[in-house]
Amino acid sequence: NAGVTQTPKFQVLKTGQSMTLQCAQDMNHEYMSWYRQDPGMGLRLIHYSVGAGITDQGEVPNGYNVSRSTTEDFPLRLLSAAPSQTSVYFCASSYSGKFGQFFGPGTRLTVL
Amino acid sequence: AQTVTQSQPEMSVQEAETVTLSCTYDTSESNYYLFWYKQPPSRQMILVIRQEAYKQQNATENRFSVNFQKAAKSFSLKISDSQLGDTAMYFCAFMKPRSQGGSEKLVFGKGTKLTVNP
Repeated sequence: NAGVTQTPKFQVLKTGQSMTLQCAQDMNHEYMSWYRQDPGMGLRLIHYSVGAGITDQGEVPNGYNVSRSTTEDFPLRLLSAAPSQTSVYFCASSYSGKFGQFFGPGTRLTVL
Repeated sequence: AQTVTQSQPEMSVQEAETVTLSCTYDTSESNYYLFWYKQPPSRQMILVIRQEAYKQQNATENRFSVNFQKAAKSFSLKISDSQLGDTAMYFCAFMKPRSQGGSEKLVFGKGTKLTVNP
């Protein structure tokens, strides 16, 4: 049972480039989400999904796209990277929110 | 919208002593869930303890316990017999369940950096 996995662990992009952060879970969780963590800001929700084929926006969705074609995978796409997207990105999943969400190890992204 | 406030950006404690981290939140809901997460230098987010708002009994997990005051909208974390491995950022989080019309999103506070000194 690998839990929640994220790739890559580190990434450096140039302004304007696009990329996809991968997230997968093997716990058959319906709920998955993406957060970004910036110094002094805590974690803020970008997008979330309550099941395959269903996604919705969180607090800071601009500049990001998501899709959920399978229960296991929830990729996050940066369409045209900007320096303001330099952050640590966490993917999380849960079976039922009342038990809390399980987090992946995070991806540190730097946009130059 | 719900908000979570952690008023102590940094705290320190001596090994083996007890420390309490504060968290307050703002909501008009009657049923919800509260969590404390730990983030050590490894960056991994680890669930420490959770509390269901409709349960009056305070949650306890080994050396970690909470003081949940629903009327005051306060949810503090007490760490007893502090250990060096407790050094980490601690985040308080709020969640409105789907049964209450929420989407199970976590709303986080900005965190408290705890240092345990030998």
